[in-house]
Amino acid sequence: AQTVTQSQPEMSVQEAETVTLSCTYDTSESDYYLFWYKQPPSRQMILVIRQEAYKQQNATENRFSVNFQKAAKSFSLKISDSQLGDAAMYFCAYLSGANNLFFGTGTRLTVIP
Amino acid sequence: KAGVTQTPRYLIKTRGQQVTLSCSPISGHRSVSWYQQTPGQGLQFLFEYFSETQRNKGNFPGRFSGRQFSNSRSEMNVSTLELGDSALYLCASSFGKQGNDQYFGPGTRLLVL
Repeated sequence: AQTVTQSQPEMSVQEAETVTLSCTYDTSESDYYLFWYKQPPSRQMILVIRQEAYKQQNATENRFSVNFQKAAKSFSLKISDSQLGDAAMYFCAYLSGANNLFFGTGTRLTVIP
Repeated sequence: KAGVTQTPRYLIKTRGQQVTLSCSPISGHRSVSWYQQTPGQGLQFLFEYFSETQRNKGNFPGRFSGRQFSNSRSEMNVSTLELGDSALYLCASSFGKQGNDQYFGPGTRLLVL
């Protein structure tokens, strides 16, 4: 079975600084997809970034980028130039071949003005 | 393009009752997945519907059921409600092919008294 682990329950970052959120996963599948979702206080899950396992290049979306280490089964999210609006719960998620998402327990990110 | 919508947004029920939640996917999306989010268990996959058929199911009791209509709208039903069913129920829609992004609705918050 697939499992996703986020070992940092809480993180904080100064506005305009950079922060990295960690995620590891376990799977026996060779073809899969990884995502980071953001859940602000409104509870709406927002897709932040995705990574295809077959791609070696790390995904980037504006200030958000990932460090995908397939052999180590690691998938961290880097947020650059942090903004107050980045404050939220961040969930790492694994999309299985059966098309269901397995989520980590989340990391609560606080942005300090 | 309109996002995923869920109704109702909030519900209060008593033990033993049943409840029906509705989810309208993004136009063109044929897959709807349901997830339960609780403080104790986190985000857990309930089931996925694609072209009016349940394609995948998580590890939940038979009290949790769903269906999908020809316009891809989906409903989730929980019968004989228990206190532990209190949760945020999220639905997500996608085109339904492996690896497609899943976009979430705002959720239905269910409180069972």
